[in-house]
Amino acid sequence: NAGVMQNPRHLVRRRGQEARLRCSPMKGHSHVYWYRQLPEEGLKFMVYLQKENIIDESGMPKERFSAEFPKEGPSILRIQQVVRGDSAAYFCASSPPRPDTQYFGPGTRLTVL
Amino acid sequence: QKEVEQDPGPLSVPEGAIVSLNCTYSNSAFQYFMWYRQYSRKGPELLMYTYSSGNKEDGRFTAQVDKSSKYISLFIRDSQPSDSATYLCAMTLNTGFQKLVFGTGTRLLVSP
Repeated sequence: NAGVMQNPRHLVRRRGQEARLRCSPMKGHSHVYWYRQLPEEGLKFMVYLQKENIIDESGMPKERFSAEFPKEGPSILRIQQVVRGDSAAYFCASSPPRPDTQYFGPGTRLTVL
Repeated sequence: QKEVEQDPGPLSVPEGAIVSLNCTYSNSAFQYFMWYRQYSRKGPELLMYTYSSGNKEDGRFTAQVDKSSKYISLFIRDSQPSDSATYLCAMTLNTGFQKLVFGTGTRLLVSP
């Protein structure tokens, strides 16, 4: 059973460009969570999604950030007009329909030049 | 003040030592407590998961929760160099997990 998959693993963008991060949950998991880890800081919750629904986006910055989890395909975290402060590791986690805990992917490391 | 406090370390111990890792928290509503291990430039890996107060043991790992003190611990017996990693505590309010609140992590170094 494959784990949570994220791609790309590394992403370099220049200021003002868009970043798209993709997450495929574990098989049978219908809940997806995104977290951001800044250098020397813990993981911070961003958003929780189920298929076609955003359940909790209380950790998402109000501007430039959006997330979706369509009926088909991976979950996407989109960052528009990236700035240097967006440089971080972005982790996706998934949990099954009756959530017990969250299983994390390997992360996407975003570098903004 | 952060919701979850964790000493960043590094904590250096010799192989075979007993390791104690700890977190304190401020929100008494937290009910579910987890410990994750994160190797450098990898994703967090779930080690232990406990509900409310008490102890839970799994191999060389023991997790303790003291809700009255808002204090959780992870003990590692017979530590190995392969245990060298960052250990993250995490907690959440209720079942049907949603937002996990993490500590900043403690870096552990086990020397041969």
